[in-house]
Amino acid sequence: KAGVTQTPRYLIKTRGQQVTLSCSPISGHRSVSWYQQTPGQGLQFLFEYFSETQRNKGNFPGRFSGRQFSNSRSEMNVSTLELGDSALYLCASSRDNSYEQYFGPGTRLTVT
Amino acid sequence: AQSVTQLDSQVPVFEEAPVELRCNYSSSVSVYLFWYVQYPNQGLQLLLKYLSGSTLVESINGFEAEFNKSQTSFHLRKPSVHISDTAEYFCAVSDRAGGGNKLTFGTGTQLKVEL
Repeated sequence: KAGVTQTPRYLIKTRGQQVTLSCSPISGHRSVSWYQQTPGQGLQFLFEYFSETQRNKGNFPGRFSGRQFSNSRSEMNVSTLELGDSALYLCASSRDNSYEQYFGPGTRLTVT
Repeated sequence: AQSVTQLDSQVPVFEEAPVELRCNYSSSVSVYLFWYVQYPNQGLQLLLKYLSGSTLVESINGFEAEFNKSQTSFHLRKPSVHISDTAEYFCAVSDRAGGGNKLTFGTGTQLKVEL
């Protein structure tokens, strides 16, 4: 079974631009969560989607948003990029009623 | 709200020596506990988990962790480490009653195995 895939793997954007990251969960997994990893703040939860609905949300500004499609694939969008948004963005998926999350390789976003 | 404390940011150890990576958590509700490992330029891999039942849980590659409710700890141990165990290890908790999946992570412990 294929693992969680994330595209693109690397991205360079300029301050003020917006970016969209994509995540394809493991087949059969309907929950998709997003995390931001930085050297300063560590791993922080962004949000979780289940059956196309946001089920949990972390403490990030409204510039960070996401959505989930009917095939469980998810995207997250960051608008008006700031230098501090430079991070590794990790996506994780899990089966229904399971607390085990399986992570993708991440998208490395650099904002210049 | 929950929090996870990993007191040791770095742990150097010689190959074949035992190691313990410490994890303490704080929560007002019952939690699930996890250890994840991250190799350079990769995502997180689930190493082991405590959901219920036996408080001692083991992974397939020789790691074990023990849930201690009275001390709110979930320390990770391995009796004999290998060079390939060099990686960053994260302890995480998930709220049992919160519904959905939201992991709160510790700051990580870099395990460096030396010859």
